[in-house]
Amino acid sequence: QQQVKQSPQSLIVQKGGISIINCAYENTAFDYFPWYQQFPGKGPALLIAIRPDVSEKKEGRFTISFNKSAKQFSLHIMDSQPGDSATYFCALTDGGSWGKLQFGAGTQVVVTP
Amino acid sequence: EAGVTQFPSHSVIEKGQTVTLRCDPISGHDNLYWYRRVMGKEIKFLLHFVKESKQDESGMPNNRFLAERTGGTYSTLKVQPAELEDSGVYFCASSQGGGETQYFGPGTRLLVL
Repeated sequence: QQQVKQSPQSLIVQKGGISIINCAYENTAFDYFPWYQQFPGKGPALLIAIRPDVSEKKEGRFTISFNKSAKQFSLHIMDSQPGDSATYFCALTDGGSWGKLQFGAGTQVVVTP
Repeated sequence: EAGVTQFPSHSVIEKGQTVTLRCDPISGHDNLYWYRRVMGKEIKFLLHFVKESKQDESGMPNNRFLAERTGGTYSTLKVQPAELEDSGVYFCASSQGGGETQYFGPGTRLLVL
């Protein structure tokens, strides 16, 4: 059973625009919510992560927004660049699972020049 | 510092054959994970080693899959006999003891014909 639902499946955005990817989960035991970025032929790489005690975390052009009551979190890519074109995965885990990550299905983002 | 490496990068085998995938984690990382992504779906957890011990193998699909990590360094994942549904990308990841960030290898793309 998939623990996290990710949308949209794909996204096309113009250079300079904002990319928004959403994830929803059910189990309130999760306490660590990372986003991974994957380029073709490479493995996923940690982009940014958040814990449920904060509602937002920003690192450069990337921001995670977290809504604990709604059990949703999202990734915002501001001023999107062609180099941001990649597949993005949300993930989650809980402290009792020894770091076992559960991933969303991924969002393929294409940033057009 | 060298990242996680995986070998081979690609493997094409026939149904019924055996394939062995290898993962070399980042030096000093006690935690080693195997994941699999099948055809555009989510990345799914297979199992987790802490040093040479299997901490969690709840994601292993069936007894055709055998993972080992002798000596707590590199790990192998053997599929015997391979079935069509085993096709996908197999990722290995490692993390420090108690560390949350998992570093992924580039993956092995397995195609079973």
